Amino acid sequence: DAGITQSPRHKVTETGTPVTLRCHQTENHRYMYWYRQDPGHGLRLIHYSYGVKDTDKGEVSDGYSVSRSKTEDFLLTLESATSSQTSVYFCAISVDQGQPQHFGDGTRLSIL
Amino acid sequence: SQQGEEDPQALSIQEGENATMNCSYKTSINNLQWYRQNSGRGLVHLILIRSNEREKHSGRLRVTLDTSKKSSSLLITASRAADTASYFCATDAGGEAGGTSYGKLTFGQGTILTVHP
Repeated sequence: DAGITQSPRHKVTETGTPVTLRCHQTENHRYMYWYRQDPGHGLRLIHYSYGVKDTDKGEVSDGYSVSRSKTEDFLLTLESATSSQTSVYFCAISVDQGQPQHFGDGTRLSIL
Repeated sequence: SQQGEEDPQALSIQEGENATMNCSYKTSINNLQWYRQNSGRGLVHLILIRSNEREKHSGRLRVTLDTSKKSSSLLITASRAADTASYFCATDAGGEAGGTSYGKLTFGQGTILTVHP
């Protein structure tokens, strides 16, 4: 399995609080992605990174920000969590564009 | 919007039977990928097929791609109970004006496959 670790694996928090999810890789892959998975929607891309400090928005980026200060870490932040952001969040990595992505096991986030 | 639409949404078969899942998409693509997801786990890559390819095999898996119909199919032969999972297609549509896509994928909603022993 590709070396991808997501933390925390589960989190319950309240509306309005900030939340940061971490994705850590040991593969030295250039590309990293954050998705959310909701029933009826499949996986949707939130943000992606194509290098240290190089990030861009995906399909559903509103309410989310990201940072990548090191190759191995990609952080997803919900500045002020809302109930609509309750979801399962997946991080993925890829050695290059046009190559398969390798996924972490996800973070289940519940916002009450 | 969803680029890939999968059919059927759910499929229930007996061990030993073949399972076929279909994926349709809307725009031109660089490649199409199939992933598997076991309950509570992340997605696992199965096969990547590029736009200039028509068929690929990997063990008991066979993927076809018809770019004229904007569709793909995943065939699992001689299914096993361990194949029970959700299966997703994902498209890499390329960048705007032929630029880079950064590998961004758009996923379908998936097919839930149940294989009964």
